[in-house]
Amino acid sequence: GAVVSQHPSRVICKSGTSVKIECRSLDFQATTMFWYRQFPKQSLMLMATSNEGSKATYEQGVEKDKFLINHASLTLSTLTVTSAHPEDSSFYICSAKSGGSTDTQYFGPGTRLTVL
Amino acid sequence: GENVEQHPSTLSVQEGDSAVIKCTYSDSASNYFPWYKQELGKGPQLIIDIRSNVGEKKDQRIAVTLNKTAKHFSLHITETQPEDSAVYFCAASRGGNEKLTFGTGTRLTIIP
Repeated sequence: GAVVSQHPSRVICKSGTSVKIECRSLDFQATTMFWYRQFPKQSLMLMATSNEGSKATYEQGVEKDKFLINHASLTLSTLTVTSAHPEDSSFYICSAKSGGSTDTQYFGPGTRLTVL
Repeated sequence: GENVEQHPSTLSVQEGDSAVIKCTYSDSASNYFPWYKQELGKGPQLIIDIRSNVGEKKDQRIAVTLNKTAKHFSLHITETQPEDSAVYFCAASRGGNEKLTFGTGTRLTIIP
């Protein structure tokens, strides 16, 4: 149980285009989802926290107009990188947790974004 | 905010020996401490976690210890195997919907 999927696993796009990444909890309802960014050989950096049906909470320094997050259902959250530039190239990972008293976050397999 | 430090950054261990990774945290209100294993090109996988009301937890070859007074917790892997080679991250949180703060990671290499 507790499987989180991401789609696509890899995406290459041209500078200036927008890219949407989907994060799905496959066998549980995720009241809260988190989006992380990870550069090579570095740790995970939290970008934003999204709760189903409400606006995402962004970490300091993360542009909310550039990284659009939508958590429209209890099993799906999307991250849209708008007007992508080469510096946005990174590994984007989502995690999800169910409601209740559990603290556990389950991570997706990640999406490798390359902006040319 | 919370700050989590992790040591060492790299660790090489002979197959069959034990590996220990240590983390310290700054927020005394943190009460949830998971450990994740990340293989190249993949997302982190939860391997074990511990809550502040417990001092030690074990799952087969993996154990985690927590010292709340000193604000540090450690991951212990015994009888290491080549498939244990990966990057390991510790994290800390206040629990509930609070965010995880990650350590900087430890690249563990098991030498056959």
